[in-house]
Amino acid sequence: QSALTQPPSASGSLGQSVTFSCTGTSSDVGGYNYVSWYQQHPGKAPKLIIYDVNKRPSGVPYRFSGSKSGNTASLTVSGLQAEDEADYYCSSYAGSNHLRVFGTGTKVTVL
Amino acid sequence: QLQLQESGPGLVRPSGTLSLTCTVFGDSVTSDDYYWAWIRQSPGGGPEWIGSIFYGGYTFYTPSLKSRVTISLDTSKNQLSLKMKSVTSTDTAVYYCAGDHRIPSTALTWFDPWGQGTLVTVSS
Repeated sequence: QSALTQPPSASGSLGQSVTFSCTGTSSDVGGYNYVSWYQQHPGKAPKLIIYDVNKRPSGVPYRFSGSKSGNTASLTVSGLQAEDEADYYCSSYAGSNHLRVFGTGTKVTVL
Repeated sequence: QLQLQESGPGLVRPSGTLSLTCTVFGDSVTSDDYYWAWIRQSPGGGPEWIGSIFYGGYTFYTPSLKSRVTISLDTSKNQLSLKMKSVTSTDTAVYYCAGDHRIPSTALTWFDPWGQGTLVTVSS
């Protein structure tokens, strides 16, 4: 099972928006609406920020939003804040036997 | 509030067995709301799902590790455990346990929360 493909880096200025992708196949991202996103600051554990493609857990700011089209999911961070500088990973259900796959990760820099 | 905490040796010899424990606080490992997962992250890399277990009797593993990994529950201690045999340097990683939130009758799940992680180094 291959990792989902994410751009290595993305950047935006304070207050601006940034969007980056998570590309899989019809066997994972494209086949199911079961994509989640995680934020990871250096030395910390990943934290859930989006599940079920576009749902935010309680406490996650509204500026985080998710979407999906075909085999590609996307995460948008609107109104970038300094604390949004982190690594972001997508994850998808990938079929039988509860298989899950993660993305390669995108490092977001706030300029 | 659900919290998880990993524990175990930080150094394992090559060809040995990696053994980790995760203690669950704030809910029972017999809960219908969760599978319980192990995930690892190699230095500089992305997370890799190792496997998940459900109290109802289901255990799932990623195919590439299935032959070397066993995940189990100890309900008396409210813990889950991970055993990985025949380790090599490529198994050096931070190992996390996580609540694998489930929605019954669907395949919808997500990992939340995560433990703080424990670094395991495979070296002689």
